[in-house]
Amino acid sequence: SQQGEEDPQALSIQEGENATMNCSYKTSINNLQWYRQNSGRGLVHLILIRSNEREKHSGRLRVTLDTSKKSSSLLITASRAADTASYFCATDAAGTYKYIFGTGTRLKVLA
Amino acid sequence: ETGVTQTPRHLVMGMTNKKSLKCEQHLGHNAMYWYKQSAKKPLELMFVYNFKEQTENNSVPSRFSPECPNSSHLFLHLHTLQPEDSALYLCASSQEDMGTGTEAFFGQGTRLTVV
Repeated sequence: SQQGEEDPQALSIQEGENATMNCSYKTSINNLQWYRQNSGRGLVHLILIRSNEREKHSGRLRVTLDTSKKSSSLLITASRAADTASYFCATDAAGTYKYIFGTGTRLKVLA
Repeated sequence: ETGVTQTPRHLVMGMTNKKSLKCEQHLGHNAMYWYKQSAKKPLELMFVYNFKEQTENNSVPSRFSPECPNSSHLFLHLHTLQPEDSALYLCASSQEDMGTGTEAFFGQGTRLTVV
C-alpha cells in the first residue's frame, strides 16, 4: 500500500504568498524526504528530515515532521513563479530499504 | 544537471519491438534505481541495484529486464511491451541504498510510448 500521500493534490497561489503542502504516511519511518519535479522531468532532492528531527530549514523551505501524527509539511515562503512544479514526499518504512513516493502536490505560482 | 544521464529522452516502440533504456552516473554512487511514473499514480519503484547486485525487484513483469554491468551504468531492456507500459521511466542513484537516509539523484527520464 502507498506509504506517503500528499495533500492537497493541487495548489494555486499568487507570487509572494506562502505555500504549504502536507504528507501523511502509514507506518513508522526512518527518514522522510521532499523532492521537486518540473513538468515531465526528473526529481530534484530538496530536503531530508530524520525521524528524530522535528523541523528543518533550507533557504525558503521549512519542513516539519510529526511522528505521532505520521505527517510532514513543506512550507515554501515568499513563493516565486519558478517554484511552479510538483512536490513529492518519499518515506521509508522502518526495517525496509526502499523509498516510496506519493502522488505529489502540483503547485502553480501565478505571477 | 544532476550527474545522472538517461538516454534516449523519448522513445516510441511497437509492442513487438525490443529496445533498451540507458542510465549513466559518474557520481561514484553505489546504488542505482529504476522508477516508473504514470499519470496520476505514485512513482513506482521497479528495481534496485546495490554494488551491482540486484537487491529489489518490485514484482515487475518479466518483459522488463534490468542489467547493471558496472556501478556507473544501468540498463532497462524492454520487449513485447503493452500500451499500459507507456510512462516516464526514471533512473536514480544514491551514495548508499536510499533506505539508509541519503538523497537520490534522478535523471531527466525517458518518455516511453508503446503503440
